[in-house]
Amino acid sequence: EAGVTQFPSHSVIEKGQTVTLRCDPISGHDNLYWYRRVMGKEIKFLLHFVKESKQDESGMPNNRFLAERTGGTYSTLKVQPAELEDSGVYFCASSHRQSHPSVPEAFFGQGTRLTVV
Amino acid sequence: ELKVEQNPLFLSMQEGKNYTIYCNYSTTSDRLYWYRQDPGKSLESLFVLLSNGAVKQEGRLMASLDTKARLSTLHITAAVHDLSATYFCAVDIWYSGGGADGLTFGKGTHLIIQP
Repeated sequence: EAGVTQFPSHSVIEKGQTVTLRCDPISGHDNLYWYRRVMGKEIKFLLHFVKESKQDESGMPNNRFLAERTGGTYSTLKVQPAELEDSGVYFCASSHRQSHPSVPEAFFGQGTRLTVV
Repeated sequence: ELKVEQNPLFLSMQEGKNYTIYCNYSTTSDRLYWYRQDPGKSLESLFVLLSNGAVKQEGRLMASLDTKARLSTLHITAAVHDLSATYFCAVDIWYSGGGADGLTFGKGTHLIIQP
């Protein structure tokens, strides 16, 4: 079974440009999460999809970030226009849908390292 | 706001030694995770601790959870070089009643085990 895959693994862009990150979750996982780790800081939650719906996007830093999950399969995270402080590693994770408090273990991708110069 | 603090943030130790990584969190939650990350790789789930007093062991790693003290520990016994990695603890916000989804992570402990 393929794991969570993210593309690209590394991206270097100039300030003001646009970058789109992609995440392919494990097949059949309804939950999809985006996280970000800025250098020296914690891994921070950005948002959560359940299928194609945004369940919670309270962690999105500002309106320069746009996440989509059309069709409830893969997800994209677009940063437009990118700023220097957006540099970091963006992780995606997926898990099964939880119908009651249980343990829907989240599986993480390898991350996309974004460098804005 | 839920805060998760790990210490130490960096640890260099010799093979064969024992050590403990600590994870404190600021609000009620009874679900705590430990992850391992190798450079350039994904976060690998090590342990999920669900209840007070939970203890789980895998090889040379043992994790425990004290929900009353809001403390989890990851103990390394007789360390070997292959355990060198960054270790993260994370707390589930949803189950702490915070109303949001997703995990709150500590900053990670960068562990180097020298021969």
